[in-house]
Amino acid sequence: GAGVSQSPSNKVTEKGKDVELRCDPISGHTALYWYRQSLGQGLEFLIYFQGNSAPDKSGLPSDRFSAERTGGSVSTLTIQRTQQEDSAVYLCASSLEAEYFGPGTRLTVL
Amino acid sequence: AQSVTQLDSQVPVFEEAPVELRCNYSSSVSVYLFWYVQYPNQGLQLLLKYLSGSTLVKGINGFEAEFNKSQTSFHLRKPSVHISDTAEYFCAVSDVRGSEKLVFGKGTKLTVNP
Repeated sequence: GAGVSQSPSNKVTEKGKDVELRCDPISGHTALYWYRQSLGQGLEFLIYFQGNSAPDKSGLPSDRFSAERTGGSVSTLTIQRTQQEDSAVYLCASSLEAEYFGPGTRLTVL
Repeated sequence: AQSVTQLDSQVPVFEEAPVELRCNYSSSVSVYLFWYVQYPNQGLQLLLKYLSGSTLVKGINGFEAEFNKSQTSFHLRKPSVHISDTAEYFCAVSDVRGSEKLVFGKGTKLTVNP
């Protein structure tokens, strides 16, 4: 069956621009997570959605980061006014007893 | 809050040798435990998980891990490794009563040499 998909696979942007990263979770998985993987910080939790509950935003590093999940399925992570330290691989996961990860979006901020 | 320590950042071994990748965690509440593998330029793949029940958990690709509550450990083992096992391995925990978000260790890079 289809796994978690993410788009784009790679994104290069200039400092100060906004970016949107998309995640399509596994059908039937009600929980959706965003993580960030970078050399210096390892794997960091960003945000969690579960059904219609308010999202857990406790991992978002600044107010430039936001995410939404429409119709309980697709999610979009938005980074406004990107900075060079935002360069990382952004991973999405959906969950049924364990988290299943997508391939990630590699973001490079020049 | 939870934390995970992977004691070895790099582990080199020869093909067909046994390997153990160590993971210790800290938590004030009960946790679920996971091992993920990341092959070069790929995403994270679930190797195995401990949710409850038997403390010896078997996963894919011949890996197994044992949950030791008294030592707060969840070490990963394989009796005989292959070249194809070369990858980075991440141990992770989540709070059984929380959002189930994962807290990861820093990873152990396993290199299997011929």
